[in-house]
Amino acid sequence: DSGVTQTPKHLITATGQRVTLRCSPRSGDLSVYWYQQSLDQGLQFLIQYYNGEERAKGNILERFSAQQFPDLHSELNLSSLELGDSALYFCASSVGRTGGEQYFGPGTRLTVT
Amino acid sequence: GENVEQHPSTLSVQEGDSAVIKCTYSDSASNYFPWYKQELGKRPQLIIDIRSNVGEKKDQRIAVTLNKTAKHFSLHITETQPEDSAVYFCAASLIKAAGNKLTFGGGTRVLVKP
Repeated sequence: DSGVTQTPKHLITATGQRVTLRCSPRSGDLSVYWYQQSLDQGLQFLIQYYNGEERAKGNILERFSAQQFPDLHSELNLSSLELGDSALYFCASSVGRTGGEQYFGPGTRLTVT
Repeated sequence: GENVEQHPSTLSVQEGDSAVIKCTYSDSASNYFPWYKQELGKRPQLIIDIRSNVGEKKDQRIAVTLNKTAKHFSLHITETQPEDSAVYFCAASLIKAAGNKLTFGGGTRVLVKP
């Protein structure tokens, strides 16, 4: 157990819908990262937040957005869902802004039908 | 941006033998190279990492080597055991003040045969 928690564990929804994935970092960690893992694209970095501010951005679609709240938990919002958005979404956390060791949560499996 | 290539994509070894996985990266500025192990249906777990000011790092049966000139790094697992069977991912990043973005290789599925 890494100490990073994610909810829900599984999510099944229809195309065109919107979902919110939630992540709580390890105690003391200020950075939160979001990754997408799919069979064809592998593990891809989406976005990083540090203490409430966006710090680094990867291949995140415009339909996706994220935020980090004052209590440091983070939410990833996925809208206008498409079949290709079906994937495992992982959250990771690290102590500082510049990361180094990132610890992953158990992931949320999103299935879009 | 950074691009990380990982080889082989699958690796089958006999229990007790060694396993070697190799990765190359494209951005010479990258300075942090972690390795993650992912068992089926589970989260990636950090198993070892190395920074660009170090050429080699060892932790029990696992070692990582880094060649900055050639821009490649490798994971070595000695005396493999069945519980080493998993998918292994290498990654590279440039840790800087603005943040840290890991770029992952495509993964290596390791099967240790008893």
